[in-house]
Amino acid sequence: NAGVTQTPKFRILKIGQSMTLQCAQDMNHNYMYWYRQDPGMGLKLIYYSVGAGITDKGEVPNGYNVSRSTTEDFPLRLELAAPSQTSVYFCASSIPGTGNTEAFFGQGTRLTVV
Amino acid sequence: AQRVTQPEKLLSVFKGAPVELKCNYSYSGSPELFWYVQYSRQRLQLLLRHISRESIKGFTADLNKGETSFHLKKPFAQEEDSAMYYCALSGRMDSSYKLIFGSGTRLLVRP
Repeated sequence: NAGVTQTPKFRILKIGQSMTLQCAQDMNHNYMYWYRQDPGMGLKLIYYSVGAGITDKGEVPNGYNVSRSTTEDFPLRLELAAPSQTSVYFCASSIPGTGNTEAFFGQGTRLTVV
Repeated sequence: AQRVTQPEKLLSVFKGAPVELKCNYSYSGSPELFWYVQYSRQRLQLLLRHISRESIKGFTADLNKGETSFHLKKPFAQEEDSAMYYCALSGRMDSSYKLIFGSGTRLLVRP
């Protein structure tokens, strides 16, 4: 059981470049989330999705885009990378509101924008 | 506004000492509260949730609705408890569920 898989694990981008962080889950969870983890700031919610075809903004969506064409996949797109987007990105999935709402996390993507 | 507050960025204790990591929340409704732990260079994983009222690795947490708190406690800290701890809240916000986190507390257990 793979759980939540993120790729890549590390990436260095130049300012203005674009990239897509991939996230896939095999637990048939309807909710998926993207967070960024900055030192001393905890996890901030970027975007989330309540199911295929439905996404919504979190606390810090600027500079990012997402899509959810399938239940399994929830990619995060950076169009014009900026140094402020240097962070560790975590994807997670869960089934909230069911009494068994544990969120499962990917191993993270460490992104540096130079 | 919905919020999770962890007032301590770093908590340093000696092995065998009691530990209490504080968590306060703001939410208009009945939230689900969780503690997640992140060991060095690993992914976040669930430590415990308030609805199960269980003890995991010697840690317990009690939801106090009057004080809107969900503090994490352990009577005798171990070196392997050193990690980053996040308090999290899941609840309905703007017609869908969100999972929001506090800023985290780094627990350092010294030998």
